[in-house]
Amino acid sequence: DAEITQSPRHKITETGRQVTLACHQTWNHNNMFWYRQDLGHGLRLIHYSYGVHDTNKGEVSDGYSVSRSNTEDLPLTLESAASSQTSVYFCASSDFQGGELFFGEGSRLTVL
Amino acid sequence: QQQVKQSPQSLIVQKGGISIINCAYENTAFDYFPWYQQFPGKGPALLIAIRPDVSEKKEGRFTISFNKSAKQFSLHIMDSQPGDSATYFCAASISGNTPLVFGKGTRLSVIA
Repeated sequence: DAEITQSPRHKITETGRQVTLACHQTWNHNNMFWYRQDLGHGLRLIHYSYGVHDTNKGEVSDGYSVSRSNTEDLPLTLESAASSQTSVYFCASSDFQGGELFFGEGSRLTVL
Repeated sequence: QQQVKQSPQSLIVQKGGISIINCAYENTAFDYFPWYQQFPGKGPALLIAIRPDVSEKKEGRFTISFNKSAKQFSLHIMDSQPGDSATYFCAASISGNTPLVFGKGTRLSVIA
């Protein structure tokens, strides 16, 4: 069965360190997204990609970057982790723009 | 600017009762309105979705009511069960154009 997997599922890091969260999907979807989920804020879009070498900023992109070198993967990088980036991060993919999203199970990041 | 406003933030319903969650949007170009269900420790998953050419869509115990003139849509869960206890998110997008934007979520607890 096609799926979307995130790793690591849990990570603790220190302020200032670089962190990369991996996202891999086997749906062969062109569209991939990163959201963060925080209590009281719901799901907020960080970055998204509509295809290889395409990346776009979302609502809360400051401090994050993504790159898309193939269809299957969209890694999310925190260049210099801050305590405000402590959150649960969800990767998602879709087969057409603005359509149904298929989510991974999330990566819980704690920045100390 | 919050594009999709969701209420209430939390909801407690007796088993067998009706759960109602409301959302309001601002962008009249939105043409796709899904609801996602999220259980603890899992990613959100599509529950039901509607497009503005219909005023209501029903799937089992779940119904979306859509009021285009008021720019509002709501989720009704009939005969609510403890297994429905989850966080529910409404969302909206412009098909083929923009990513989904989510409401802040409603935490539903169905008690026996």
